[in-house]
Amino acid sequence: SQQGEEDPQALSIQEGENATMNCSYKTSINNLQWYRQNSGRGLVHLILIRSNEREKHSGRLRVTLDTSKKSSSLLITASRAADTASYFCATDTNTPLVFGKGTRLSVIA
Amino acid sequence: NAGVTQTPKFQVLKTGQSMTLQCAQDMNHEYMSWYRQDPGMGLRLIHYSVGAGITDQGEVPNGYNVSRSTTEDFPLRLLSAAPSQTSVYFCASSYSNEGARDNEKLFFGSGTQLSVL
Repeated sequence: SQQGEEDPQALSIQEGENATMNCSYKTSINNLQWYRQNSGRGLVHLILIRSNEREKHSGRLRVTLDTSKKSSSLLITASRAADTASYFCATDTNTPLVFGKGTRLSVIA
Repeated sequence: NAGVTQTPKFQVLKTGQSMTLQCAQDMNHEYMSWYRQDPGMGLRLIHYSVGAGITDQGEVPNGYNVSRSTTEDFPLRLLSAAPSQTSVYFCASSYSNEGARDNEKLFFGSGTQLSVL
């Protein structure tokens, strides 16, 4: 099944730095969503970007979408220790959301 | 609103036993789904429902049954548990607007950690 693939698999940064993670997918989408999962918890929706949008902001989050390259990036600015979590992209075609395997972000204080 | 509630949080089964994982939502969402999460595999869709009385299979449906008799509840049944079903199970729901092509964002429960010995 079509699936987003996050890159890198793991990322470790210092508090205050920016974190960038990428998602690539295979077929045309209606929208792409990013979710966060703290250890031992369920996923929480962060942001949705539609196929006709190129960039979207929400607080310290910035998401870009390049449909020609079939890729998206999630930027977290001025990271905090509380941002330590796994981040997943999910692609919406005309079927239920399909999730990637996630990027594990560690923010070191 | 409680959101999406899953019970139990933890469960240990012996091979061959059956059980039901419960999922309830109080947001009047039409769409509900079950995922399993395994290390290195991400989330994989087991079954989903677009409304009461309607269910469909996802990517990994074998060994699981679902039913949707009400809008609020979407139980997942393991018919004869196997060690390969050891996983963390998540229920998720969303509002689906008939005619809209885009999925709305998913609301997740806190998960059920299942071990099959």
